[in-house]
Amino acid sequence: GQGVEQPAKLMSVEGTFARVNCTYSTSGFNGLSWYQQREGQAPVFLSYVVLDGLKDSGHFSTFLSRSNGYSYLLLTELQIKDSASYLCAVRDGGSFNKLTFGAGTRLAVCP
Amino acid sequence: NSKVIQTPRYLVKGQGQKAKMRCIPEKGHPVVFWYQQNKNNEFKFLINFQNQEVLQQIDMTEKRFSAECPSNSPCSLEIQSSEAGDSALYLCASSPQISNERLFFGHGTKLSVL
Repeated sequence: GQGVEQPAKLMSVEGTFARVNCTYSTSGFNGLSWYQQREGQAPVFLSYVVLDGLKDSGHFSTFLSRSNGYSYLLLTELQIKDSASYLCAVRDGGSFNKLTFGAGTRLAVCP
Repeated sequence: NSKVIQTPRYLVKGQGQKAKMRCIPEKGHPVVFWYQQNKNNEFKFLINFQNQEVLQQIDMTEKRFSAECPSNSPCSLEIQSSEAGDSALYLCASSPQISNERLFFGHGTKLSVL
């Protein structure tokens, strides 16, 4: 089957960093995406990875290890406004590229 | 600001009533997905379309929901007979192609079934 797991909550301090973990299992991996969702708002695309390694996009970086079924989203120089839910979503290439989402990690950035 | 427009923003229905929500995908996006996000933030895929054709749907959608994406009209998702467990945020997302890495989401329709 297919599943995506994320920790429910994460807390960090303004000016530092936060790493949001995601583990997944899928039969036809075809990429992994990260989305940010604020309360009552639409999920917003942040990053997409399909190859192993670290992808640096400035404030957000993403890491993928396909052999371990693992990814993380790294946020650096945290700001209070980074407080939001961060969703990991895995694409199944054998299923019309359907995205399977995790339940999200609610990040709280404290002053 | 999201360019995927979902209406209504909020919907309140009694058990057994029909509940219909609409989605206008971003211009030029023939691919549309519907997801259900429950109070625990869990996403459930419901159905997806490419143009007017259904690509994939889950069993629940096939039996209890009706959905369509007619040409030149908004897409719609309708629950035929609402149940308390249907209370959730219904998110519509569009994409320029099925292989595109990114989905563009609307703000959702929050359904409450009393």
